[in-house]
Amino acid sequence: DIQMTQSPSTLSASVGDRVTITCRASQSISSWLAWYQQKPGKAPKLLIYKASNLESGVPSRFSGSGSGTEFTLTISSLQPDDFATYYCQHDNSFPLTFGGGTRVEIK
Amino acid sequence: EVELLESGGGLIQPGGSLRLSCAASGFTFNDYPMTWVRRAPGKGLEWVSIVTNIGSTYYADSVKGRFTISRDTSKNTVYLQLNSLRAEDTALYYCAKGRDGHGYIFDYWGQGTLVTVSS
Repeated sequence: DIQMTQSPSTLSASVGDRVTITCRASQSISSWLAWYQQKPGKAPKLLIYKASNLESGVPSRFSGSGSGTEFTLTISSLQPDDFATYYCQHDNSFPLTFGGGTRVEIK
Repeated sequence: EVELLESGGGLIQPGGSLRLSCAASGFTFNDYPMTWVRRAPGKGLEWVSIVTNIGSTYYADSVKGRFTISRDTSKNTVYLQLNSLRAEDTALYYCAKGRDGHGYIFDYWGQGTLVTVSS
């Protein structure tokens, strides 16, 4: 099974900061990676698919990059609405797995 | 508009069984994989199971042999049968729809149904 490891687990940042979250796969997953945002009491929201493709309606300050085993989610200028927990998920093979999550909190 | 409405959660004793349902609307149900994902208290998201548009099923190792996913295309509903429940199965269970063209990532989610396993 493919394990997904996110870092950091918690990130403190200010509005306007550039934020980068890393996700590493235990083996190559090509570009089969998605990113989700989850806020308290809400369902997850798809942000990025196939490593770097922005889902419709998602602000352009979000971007994804990487391939193989190392991936990043970048928020170019953190906005108040972006304080949330972020998860990566691979769709390379079954079983699917999520990363452990990165909580972005207000500094 | 896509809507997913989960039901069937509740308080159940260890070793018991529950059946979760997810009623779907607003899209051609037959065309998309449907999945269940859970989030235990204080933990992250955990993928549980998926049924593809052609009826193939897959499971996380943690639930294999205890949970069964199925779909009823006449009712536009996906089910998750939970047997031999354990305390560690306590979680909010979400159903979600596979994304068009990338079926094993998920673009629409329900609000979840809570399963609590406790004596």
